Amino acid sequence: DIQMTQSPSSLSASVGDRVTITCRASQGISNSLAWYQQKPGKAPKLLLYAASRLESGVPSRFSGSGSGTDYTLTISSLQPEDFATYYCQQYYSTPHTFGQGTKLEIK
Amino acid sequence: EVQLVQSGAEVKKPGESLKISCKGSGYSFTSYWIGWVRQMPGKGLEWMGIIYPGDSDTRYSPSFQGQVTISADKSISTAYLQWSSLKASDTAMYYCARPFVSSGPDAFDIWGQGTMVTVSS
Repeated sequence: DIQMTQSPSSLSASVGDRVTITCRASQGISNSLAWYQQKPGKAPKLLLYAASRLESGVPSRFSGSGSGTDYTLTISSLQPEDFATYYCQQYYSTPHTFGQGTKLEIK
Repeated sequence: EVQLVQSGAEVKKPGESLKISCKGSGYSFTSYWIGWVRQMPGKGLEWMGIIYPGDSDTRYSPSFQGQVTISADKSISTAYLQWSSLKASDTAMYYCARPFVSSGPDAFDIWGQGTMVTVSS
């Protein structure tokens, strides 16, 4: 199985801050990487796929980058509705493993 | 509208069997994979497995192989996740989800609302 290591596991930030979350795969995944946002009591929501492609309807303050084994999710200017938990997922090979999550909290 | 609608919450005893469902609508059910994701209370997402309803090709995570069975009935556009003997550690929210493209088991853009399974004596 490909292991996905996400960091940090939690993060405190303020509205307007720029934040970055990283995800490292245990082997190369050829940009087959998705990012999800999950709010309490809700199903996850796809934000980006193919490492950097924004899902329809997702605000442009969300962006993704990376290649090989290392990927990042950046939120350019945090909004109140962005405080949630974020997960990366590789879909290069089954099982399509998720990272352990990053909880983004209000400072 | 493309959607996945899951069956309702379940409360079961250890050792009991269970089958939960996920009904797809608004798209060609046989053309897209459907996956299952577990989320234990207060924990992260775990990919369990995925099925292609068109030919029932199924892939399991080694962590769940032999513990659950994934199936689909294309005549009623419904996928299933079942247990033959539940354990307390199966207590979790279970989501079904559909990839954003029909060409393969990719990232999930459509999610069901989740089915909470509680196993307690």
